[in-house]
Amino acid sequence: KQEVTQIPAALSVPEGENLVLNCSFTDSAIYNLQWFRQDPGKGLTSLLLIQSSQREQTSGRLNASLDKSSGRSTLYIAASQPGDSATYLCAVGAGGTSYGKLTFGQGTILTVHP
Amino acid sequence: SAVISQKPSRDICQRGTSLTIQCQVDSQVTMMFWYRQQPGQSLTLIATANQGSEATYESGFVIDKFPISRPNLTFSTLTVSNMSPEDSSIYLCSATDRAPSGANVLTFGAGSRLTVL
Repeated sequence: KQEVTQIPAALSVPEGENLVLNCSFTDSAIYNLQWFRQDPGKGLTSLLLIQSSQREQTSGRLNASLDKSSGRSTLYIAASQPGDSATYLCAVGAGGTSYGKLTFGQGTILTVHP
Repeated sequence: SAVISQKPSRDICQRGTSLTIQCQVDSQVTMMFWYRQQPGQSLTLIATANQGSEATYESGFVIDKFPISRPNLTFSTLTVSNMSPEDSSIYLCSATDRAPSGANVLTFGAGSRLTVL
């Protein structure tokens, strides 16, 4: 059974810092990996999707990497801003008959203070 | 990308009652899913909503407690039956969608926050 772990559980940084969020998973036979952002009381916003054959994806100040063999992914946020404050969720997608099903980590609560 | 609307956005319910949550997608989608997020927890998949057939439930979830309908490719409902305080959660609908890159992504609704007294 796939298990996804995110470290740290919470992170508080001053504005402008570059930071790294970590995600690890136990079963390397994944279809894809997706990073989401969740704001309090809101749904999920997809940030980056990495297919199993890819090593990284970039969108603006965000960069996500994937090392399938070691079961790890990182989300790098450059020049953090107070508006980045949210919970960041890593989710691993299965393929085959389980296509579309995601296993989520517990999330990292990020606070960026001015 | 697809836009998913959920109703109600929140509700307070009495123990023993049932509530149906609606999920509407603005385009036809192949697959729809229902997730639960209990307080302070991450998301757990409840079931896959199959168009024209019975939903496929994950371990620990049963049809009697969480009946699901999917009458067409843009709409699904989840009913939480005979509610207890342990059912207080955010329930999220999701659907497969195409990213600009062409890859399939999961898009989520804003969720329905249920509080059971």
